[in-house]
Amino acid sequence: DAKTTQPNSMESNEEEPVHLPCNHSTISGTDYIHWYRQLPSQGPEYVIHGLTSNVNNRMASLAIAEDRKSSTLILHRATLRDAAVYYCIIRSSNYKLTFGKGTLLTVNP
Amino acid sequence: GAVVSQHPSWVICKSGTSVKIECRSLDFQATTMFWYRQFPKQSLMLMATSNEGSKATYEQGVEKDKFLINHASLTLSTLTVTSAHPEDSSFYICSATGLAGAGLGEQYFGPGTRLTVT
Repeated sequence: DAKTTQPNSMESNEEEPVHLPCNHSTISGTDYIHWYRQLPSQGPEYVIHGLTSNVNNRMASLAIAEDRKSSTLILHRATLRDAAVYYCIIRSSNYKLTFGKGTLLTVNP
Repeated sequence: GAVVSQHPSWVICKSGTSVKIECRSLDFQATTMFWYRQFPKQSLMLMATSNEGSKATYEQGVEKDKFLINHASLTLSTLTVTSAHPEDSSFYICSATGLAGAGLGEQYFGPGTRLTVT
């Protein structure tokens, strides 16, 4: 499975946009980019996924670089409930998810 | 969105006993379920993948005789920790997906089960 690199932590202010980066330089052509988040003592929650084109849903947007070696999860207006560990995962055709350490997002009121 | 439940949410057991954890997909049929384990301040580690009606596939280093997985129906998978020891204390999380084969859909996670072995 392709390896991902994310910052250990990021900080944001409430109601401001947040851009969470992820590098995945060894991604192959058929691998999907998935994002999940996890609040303390809870199971992960699906956020968004994409292949080549940028994606939007009610939770976030996913911007994928043209060469697909990096992507950015965008939270348009951070709230206190968005504070969590965000995982960027490259999912291959066997559809298993390999979780890295993720990015701990802190949202300041 | 799809909902996955786990039962119990937490359990305390004595060393040497066995514990069963249930994972249910409440509003969709889960052709594939996954079991993860998460130690404090660490990331999730995949333990095994189970497809309905067939034997589970365990990740390297996970003892299949110790962690028994049964996926008897499209809405239920169980994980039994046999002869539990304190080092098995962890947060066990299941997930489910409704697409078989090389599916491209997201996984839906349960809320997790906190196991403490005394």
